[in-house]
Amino acid sequence: DGGITQSPKYLFRKEGQNVTLSCEQNLNHDAMYWYRQDPGQGLRLIYYSQIVNDFQKGDIAEGYSVSREKKESFPLTVTSAQKNPTAFYLCASSIAADTQYFGPGTRLTVL
Amino acid sequence: AQSVAQPEDQVNVAEGNPLTVKCTYSVSGNPYLFWYVQYPNRGLQFLLKYITGDNLVKGSYGFEAEFNKSQTSFHLKKPSALVSDSALYFCAVRDPNTGFQKLVFGTGTRLLVSP
Repeated sequence: DGGITQSPKYLFRKEGQNVTLSCEQNLNHDAMYWYRQDPGQGLRLIYYSQIVNDFQKGDIAEGYSVSREKKESFPLTVTSAQKNPTAFYLCASSIAADTQYFGPGTRLTVL
Repeated sequence: AQSVAQPEDQVNVAEGNPLTVKCTYSVSGNPYLFWYVQYPNRGLQFLLKYITGDNLVKGSYGFEAEFNKSQTSFHLKKPSALVSDSALYFCAVRDPNTGFQKLVFGTGTRLLVSP
């Protein structure tokens, strides 16, 4: 987990509320990623960014938004349009197409 | 499209015995293959990868994996299991022909090492 931090560790969301998950890396990696993990389903890609000020949708982007204003930061917003947001969210980074390294994760629960 | 299969939801092994966690893949070209481990409520930790070269790849914590192109497999192995190896293991594949490093993950295999 070293070099990539995610906050908060636990997050609770009320119905209709937007919440933002933080991801910061000090590894000087160009690429960053957001994944969602549900029991028995492995990891699914939400959004990714290969360079600053550029990002693309992954496989399950609906109901999520991101920004990449700084190289070291890639926050994820879970909007009220995401109907089933309860999950474990993982951020990762890599040097271009090399190995991805993961943060410790944020567990989001809808109340 | 690339895909990964981990056919066993759980693998049970006694401490000191060898362990194998299975992974098969499907990609259109030569694959890049990865193994990660996850402990409860933690992120994924990188164990090892195969890009090219020797089919036997050595990684962290005494783990190794064997790439078998004819069987499209990349099984994770360790000669002597430890109780502390108990965790969730993920295999992942990347198709190098894509312009971006999209990893496709298997559904994970839970390894339980008994004392």
